[in-house]
Amino acid sequence: DIQMTQSPSTLSASVGDRVTITCRASQSTNNWLAWYQQKPGKAPKVLIYEASRLETGVPSRFSGSGSGTEFTLTISSLQPDDFATYYCQHYNSYSWTFGQGTRVEIK
Amino acid sequence: EVQLVESGGGLVKPGESLRLSCAASGFPFVNAWMSWVRQPPGKGLEWVGRIKSKTDGATADYAAPVKDRFIISRDDSKNTLYLQMNSLRTEDTALYYCATEYYTFHNNWGQGTLVTVSS
Repeated sequence: DIQMTQSPSTLSASVGDRVTITCRASQSTNNWLAWYQQKPGKAPKVLIYEASRLETGVPSRFSGSGSGTEFTLTISSLQPDDFATYYCQHYNSYSWTFGQGTRVEIK
Repeated sequence: EVQLVESGGGLVKPGESLRLSCAASGFPFVNAWMSWVRQPPGKGLEWVGRIKSKTDGATADYAAPVKDRFIISRDDSKNTLYLQMNSLRTEDTALYYCATEYYTFHNNWGQGTLVTVSS
């Protein structure tokens, strides 16, 4: 099974910073890679799907890129509402695999 | 508006069984592929399993840690998804979410129901 490894596990940043989170797959994948944001006590919310497609209603400061084994989520200018935990998720037709999460906290 | 409402969680002892339900509304449930995803307290997300629509065979796939212990089913007449959990272990303690699948991601989630397995 493919394993998804996110880095860093925790990220301290300030409002206005450019933030990048990486997700690496243990083997080469299709580009069925999604990114979710989760806030405490809430269900996850999809931000990006198929590696780079922005879900409807998600602010354009969020973007995704990558292919093969390495994918990134970038927040171009961190806003107060963006402090949360972010997860990548890979899909391979019969199962889903999440990364372990990246917590973005206030510096 | 899409709504997914999980229920059935609670405190059980190791080895016992529990059935979770997910009541769906606001979309054509009969056509939906549905997943269960869990999150242990303070930890990350873990996919549990999924069931396809009846049109696509209503077959289920499971994650390795729950295969042969958990069973996912659906009742399209009641717009309800189920998760039958047998032989529960302490490591099954988690908040259990149901979610709709939309091609390659999960686009709608419930708020979860908490399952605690403890002696």
